[in-house]
Amino acid sequence: GQQVMQIPQYQHVQEGEDFTTYCNSSTTLSNIQWYKQRPGGHPVFLIQLVKSGEVKKQKRLTFQFGEAKKNSSLHITATQTTDVGTYFCRADSWGKFQFGAGTQVVVTP
Amino acid sequence: EADIYQTPRYLVIGTGKKITLECSQTMGHDKMYWYQQDPGMELHLIHYSYGVNSTEKGDLSSESTVSRIRTEHFPLTLESARPSHTSQYLCASSDRSDREYTDTQYFGPGTRLTVL
Repeated sequence: GQQVMQIPQYQHVQEGEDFTTYCNSSTTLSNIQWYKQRPGGHPVFLIQLVKSGEVKKQKRLTFQFGEAKKNSSLHITATQTTDVGTYFCRADSWGKFQFGAGTQVVVTP
Repeated sequence: EADIYQTPRYLVIGTGKKITLECSQTMGHDKMYWYQQDPGMELHLIHYSYGVNSTEKGDLSSESTVSRIRTEHFPLTLESARPSHTSQYLCASSDRSDREYTDTQYFGPGTRLTVL
């Protein structure tokens, strides 16, 4: 069956630094979604990627879908304390989906 | 922000009690889901429904049951609560986007359940 890995599991970042988190699937995907869950909150949809090699930006967040549509990355520049939370990818295979285990991001001032 | 509601938000209950966690959405979404999540950990799908009178078990085995009698309502029931059921339960809903064969999930605020 489909396996979805998110790397790293934990990310400690100094405020102002950049970092990247990755989502890797064992199978080709139809699309991928990213969600963010603040501490004590619930997951909130961020973005969806559908096309091979697609890149989308939301302010300081850059999302990329791999050429083979098996992996995705989320890059955050100039990290702020508001970026704290867990980022989940959701890997979709034409109707079936699986969430990754998430990358928990801690930001130190 | 999506219109999906969960009650109660917090529940502390003794072992052996029967409980029902409520979830309602006002968006007319066909698909609804229940997830179990320990703090800061991954989301485990325990039940889902693709419409009225349709319910399926998710990836994680759960002793809970669900029903879908109305589109907007998807309650989860535990017949006999145990300490191992202590967790956060998140409800979500989505509507299919025919253009891209995918759907965005909108999550409720969750119910934090503690079983003593």
